[in-house]
Amino acid sequence: DTAVSQTPKYLVTQMGNDKSIKCEQNLGHDTMYWYKQDSKKFLKIMFSYNNKELIINETVPNRFSPKSPDKAHLNLHINSLELGDSAVYFCASSPNGPAYEQYFGPGTRLTVT
Amino acid sequence: SQQGEEDPQALSIQEGENATMNCSYKTSINNLQWYRQNSGRGLVHLILIRSNEREKHSGRLRVTLDTSKKSSSLLITASRAADTASYFCATGSNSGYALNFGKGTSLLVTP
Repeated sequence: DTAVSQTPKYLVTQMGNDKSIKCEQNLGHDTMYWYKQDSKKFLKIMFSYNNKELIINETVPNRFSPKSPDKAHLNLHINSLELGDSAVYFCASSPNGPAYEQYFGPGTRLTVT
Repeated sequence: SQQGEEDPQALSIQEGENATMNCSYKTSINNLQWYRQNSGRGLVHLILIRSNEREKHSGRLRVTLDTSKKSSSLLITASRAADTASYFCATGSNSGYALNFGKGTSLLVTP
């Protein structure tokens, strides 16, 4: 009965590879997010989707492409991985925007070697 | 862009003591939220306070909000070892669809 799930939990890959992280929420929420947490624990919004439509696309390299096949899923595809992409990526959801609490997934620790 | 800034960066106390963390932000908000992150885990929502509220309680948590000073505080009373975690404040972004997080306060509660 996990609310927000992400797969995989750990991802180790080499520079130049393409990888995807999947996120699913079973809370019936309208809004989903991707955040990146760096080694200093700073959390930064990357993308936000509301009802499958892209709402926010912060200054993120276009190697990162989110895809929302339906309201319950928001996947993150990363092309041509670079060392600086190493971080923990969190998916989150909320009923409708940040006026409500957000529910976070357990995170995906990406290590690029 | 970063909105919240927590203070102190790190806090170490003994079980039973109170822990106070502060958060300052820069622009107008409609709510401010506090989250906890245990090591290696995702963030867990603790409390949300709206801009027209000054104080809110939830169990051992007490949050205050001063919109004139653009600051908030989180008080954890009677701390337990299980409270050891990082605590983040977060505010709504200008676009209204994401939270801007501070850098967090790392709390260590020793038995």
